[in-house]
Amino acid sequence: DIVMTQTPLSLSVTPGQPASISCKSSQSLLYSDGKTYMSWYLQKPGQPPQLLIYEVSNRLSGVPARFSGSGSGTDFTLSISRVEAEDVGVYYCKQSTQFASITFGQGTRLEIK
Amino acid sequence: QVQLQQSGPGLVQPSQTLSLTCAISGDTVSNNGVAWDWIRQSPSRGLEWLGRTYYRSKWYNDYAVSVKSRININPDTSKNQFSLQLNSVTPEDTAVYYCARMSSRRLGSWGQGTLVTVSS
Repeated sequence: DIVMTQTPLSLSVTPGQPASISCKSSQSLLYSDGKTYMSWYLQKPGQPPQLLIYEVSNRLSGVPARFSGSGSGTDFTLSISRVEAEDVGVYYCKQSTQFASITFGQGTRLEIK
Repeated sequence: QVQLQQSGPGLVQPSQTLSLTCAISGDTVSNNGVAWDWIRQSPSRGLEWLGRTYYRSKWYNDYAVSVKSRININPDTSKNQFSLQLNSVTPEDTAVYYCARMSSRRLGSWGQGTLVTVSS
């Protein structure tokens, strides 16, 4: 299985300040079709995870523009340009390049200072 | 919009079978462009993908190695739903279980989650 390692595991950010989360995979997530199947999810308290970004940098419709994803190969980053109170929760990266064995990162808890 | 509604018991005895169902609205279980997954979440294991069922001219399954010997995921086309069965459960199988729809390798729709506790 591909191991997904997130850092940091927790983050405390002042509203209006930027935040970033790193996710590293144990092997390249570049698939034979030329796409990289790395996604980011946000889980708010009491809810299932919700998709934010797919294929590294594509925001799902309705996701605010302050969220962006970047990276390639084995190193990926989720960035929030200006954190808002509604952004609290746990962020997960997930790979589905290895479709028959998808794996998630451990999660990064974002709280507001 | 696709909606997934989970049902099933919240308490299962050790060594018994965990059974959950996920009813689909806004799509069909036999849609040959998507897959229907089960994922669980626990403090010790985090988010753990368990397996899926999908239709591509015939039915297929993928299962996680960690549970492969004791899991079954089956579609029910007459009720437009799919189910999870996990056999020989132990307290380590205590978790919140989610069903989800996988499309273009994205989990875009999730069920509400079911806390299943394995205890006598």
